[in-house]
Amino acid sequence: AQSVTQLDSHVSVSEGTPVLLRCNYSSSYSPSLFWYVQHPNKGLQLLLKYTSAATLVKGINGFEAEFKKSETSFHLTKPSAHMSDAAEYFCVVTQGNNNDMRFGAGTRLTVKP
Amino acid sequence: GAGVSQSPSNKVTEKGKDVELRCDPISGHTALYWYRQRLGQGLEFLIYFQGNSAPDKSGLPSDRFSAERTGESVSTLTIQRTQQEDSAVYLCASSLVRGGANVLTFGAGSRLTVL
Repeated sequence: AQSVTQLDSHVSVSEGTPVLLRCNYSSSYSPSLFWYVQHPNKGLQLLLKYTSAATLVKGINGFEAEFKKSETSFHLTKPSAHMSDAAEYFCVVTQGNNNDMRFGAGTRLTVKP
Repeated sequence: GAGVSQSPSNKVTEKGKDVELRCDPISGHTALYWYRQRLGQGLEFLIYFQGNSAPDKSGLPSDRFSAERTGESVSTLTIQRTQQEDSAVYLCASSLVRGGANVLTFGAGSRLTVL
């Protein structure tokens, strides 16, 4: 079965500096991969998704992620952090039937002024 | 509706009581998921409904948990004889199933506290 590992439970950056949230996946078949963001007291929102098209995926709010099959990774990046980026980020993998979506444990991003 | 609506947003109950959580998916979304999110943890899959197919109940943690959905509308998640370890945020999501990977739209969740 597929699974994801988010390598950092907490990441802290200064405003204006780059963001890197790491995700490694395990999948028997070609996976679909997603990043979702959860702001405090709000529902989860899709940031971006990879579905076997371009390996570099651009999402909302300046985030992007690159699918690297050789490294089984799908790390989330942003060139310059903004205070409003502070939230919990979840990496998600699915394969085959879309009902089997596996969420990572999440990475809490803190942005310091 | 415009989004996925869940109620109640907060529920405090005593150990041993039954609770019912409700989810109104986006109109026209045929797929509906329930997840559980314990404090500081990721999302734990509970159950999945897709149209009139038999639901995928593989994530339900015990027989105290059950869920129903009538057609492609409202779903209810019922927890009987609640225990303290049931305390969590219960998230509902819906999606429009079509070719390719589906995007889930989540509700704001129902926070359950079992005393």
